[in-house]
Amino acid sequence: EPEVTQTPSHQVTQMGQEVILRCVPISNHLYFYWYRQILGQKVEFLVSFYNNEISEKSEIFDDQFSVERPDGSNFTLKIRSTKLEDSAMYFCASMGRDSHNEQFFGPGTRLTVL
Amino acid sequence: AQSVAQPEDQVNVAEGNPLTVKCTYSVSGNPYLFWYVQYPNRGLQFLLKYITGDNLVKGSYGFEAEFNKSQTSFHLKKPSALVSDSALYFCAVRPPSGGYQKVTFGIGTKLQVIP
Repeated sequence: EPEVTQTPSHQVTQMGQEVILRCVPISNHLYFYWYRQILGQKVEFLVSFYNNEISEKSEIFDDQFSVERPDGSNFTLKIRSTKLEDSAMYFCASMGRDSHNEQFFGPGTRLTVL
Repeated sequence: AQSVAQPEDQVNVAEGNPLTVKCTYSVSGNPYLFWYVQYPNRGLQFLLKYITGDNLVKGSYGFEAEFNKSQTSFHLKKPSALVSDSALYFCAVRPPSGGYQKVTFGIGTKLQVIP
C-alpha cells in the first residue's frame, strides 16, 4: 500500500539554524500539506500546496517558513531561522485528486531546537 | 471558522466492552468528518470518514462512527474493545469545497483499554 514518507525521523538543531524537512507524498496525489504537533497539544495546520503554489497557510506559517516541490516527487518544509518554540513533530500529508478523499499522513519528523 | 471538540481527555474501557469516543464539530455547510488514530511515536492513521449518505460509516479495525447533523456530532464507536485499540484518537473536520482546505483536528482523546 502506498504511503507518505518523511526524512529525517528526528532532527536536532541549534536555535537560529536553518532546517529542511523532507517528504515524499504518495505518487499520484495532487494536494500536499504540512502540519505540526507540539508535544501534548493538538495537530495544527501549517500550509497547503497545490499546482505548485501555496493554497492556504495559517498564522503560524510566517516568513521564516517556506515550502517547495523541487522535483515533482519531494515536498519540503524549510524553517529559515529556528526558534525554541519550533520544537514539534512535523507531519506531511497528501491527498488525491478527488476532494472527497482523506489526507494521508507521514510518520512525522521530530524537530528539537536547542 | 471550523472547530472540533473532543470533550474527554481520556476514555477507559474494559476489554470486550463497547467503546465510544465523542466528537462535536462546527463548520459552515455540510462537513467532511474524519477520525484518525495515533499510536505512540507514530504518525496519524486514517480510520474512517463521513462525506455524504448513510449516517453510520464503517472503517478500519472494526470501528464505526455515527454522523448526527442535528447534534453536530460524529462519535466513534466499536462494539468490542481490544487492548490493541489503546491509542490517541483525533476527530477532524474539513469544509467540503476545495481539496486545498485544511483539516482541523480536535485535541485528541486517549483511549485506554483495560485487560
